Amino acid sequence: QKEVEQNSGPLSVPEGAIASLNCTYSDRGSQSFFWYRQYSGKSPELIMSIYSNGDKEDGRFTAQLNKASQYVSLLIRDSQPSDSATYLCARGRAAGNKLTFGGGTRVLVKP
Amino acid sequence: GAVVSQHPSWVICKSGTSVKIECRSLDFQATTMFWYRQFPKQSLMLMATSNEGSKATYEQGVEKDKFLINHASLTLSTLTVTSAHPEDSSFYICSASHNTGELFFGEGSRLTVL
Repeated sequence: QKEVEQNSGPLSVPEGAIASLNCTYSDRGSQSFFWYRQYSGKSPELIMSIYSNGDKEDGRFTAQLNKASQYVSLLIRDSQPSDSATYLCARGRAAGNKLTFGGGTRVLVKP
Repeated sequence: GAVVSQHPSWVICKSGTSVKIECRSLDFQATTMFWYRQFPKQSLMLMATSNEGSKATYEQGVEKDKFLINHASLTLSTLTVTSAHPEDSSFYICSASHNTGELFFGEGSRLTVL
């Protein structure tokens, strides 16, 4: 079992719709969780960080964490073509510790 | 977010030569930096953890004598690919750990070894 698992996609979403991305992790000692966006040929860009159970909203993005189920998700509301990218889920044990990344979910937003 | 700068953004070299890549945290001090490698259509693979003032910690399967890491200050880490070969061609990305626990990435360095 991989430490961080994501559906590779592609997840095809009509423009204006909600894109829902899921991520599961195996290490129950994980304390910090992150979502990164990576455009083709570019380095990852931090979108959201979440540390406690529940929802965290930032603009059109909402991250959801459920430690009991070892599950973290990302919702993208009002999806735009510019949101088309690969979204990487990552987890870590503590601040400053290395992060383990999932394989990424490719999202395609169609006009 | 915090800014991490990586240089060069791309480099082409001949087989057998060495290449140095620099990673700088511009607006914060990073005691820990990480070096990743990414092959086309694959995810990020952690190569090593770079700690300021001490030896780097390498992941299993990464040759420490081939990928030399130096973290001499709180804002600079370097990765040197020694005696590069075509199979070392990849996208190398550094990241710096902010005291918030968030990890910020440099722009990446695309290495092509001929």
